[in-house]
Amino acid sequence: QTVVTQEPSFSVSPGGTVTLTCGLSSGSVSTSYYPSWYQQTPGQAPRTLIYSTNTRSSGVPDRFSGSILGNKAALTITGAQADDESDYYCVLYMGRGISVFGGGTKLTVL
Amino acid sequence: EVQLGQSGAEMKKPGESLKISCEGSGYTFSSYWIGWVRQMPGKGLEWMGIIYPADSDTRYSPSFEGQVTISADKSIDTAYLQWSSLKASDTAIYYCVRHGRPSTYFDFWGQGTLVTVSS
Repeated sequence: QTVVTQEPSFSVSPGGTVTLTCGLSSGSVSTSYYPSWYQQTPGQAPRTLIYSTNTRSSGVPDRFSGSILGNKAALTITGAQADDESDYYCVLYMGRGISVFGGGTKLTVL
Repeated sequence: EVQLGQSGAEMKKPGESLKISCEGSGYTFSSYWIGWVRQMPGKGLEWMGIIYPADSDTRYSPSFEGQVTISADKSIDTAYLQWSSLKASDTAIYYCVRHGRPSTYFDFWGQGTLVTVSS
């Protein structure tokens, strides 16, 4: 079964830039996987950030951006703020209606 | 305004059956895929499956096929997630999500339903 990989944890300084990645246990991520990204703070439902690789969801600030970097999808946060401290999940679309979440990255801003 | 309203928290015993719901409003319910996402305590998100309410076309993650049943009643704009025999390991928060267009991502989330299975 396909495994979607993410860094378990990452830290960034306030005002800094961080790039989280989303890969495959076997193979490369391309735009054909329509990578999307979701943010979840403790006790809350997730929030949609990015879809179709690099399209920001409504209301998402432009310091969040998506891309393909090498063989992975990437979420870059520029000018990190304290309230960006959250869990971030990527999703890859596998075709035939099937989506798969990555394991999530816990981002610390300190 | 698009909203997904989920049914309330449930506390059940192992072996019992359960059906939780997700009511869509603010859009044409039957025209968008609705999915379900599991989050076990302290764990990540897991995609379970989806349904297209207009024709009840349903797809499941291999991890959940045969373990749950996803259904929908388009006449009342509601999707369901059902178990015939709950296990303690089904304890989790379950979110319903609306798949966007293209249907490769989730654009709206329900508030989640906490299901607790304990003897």
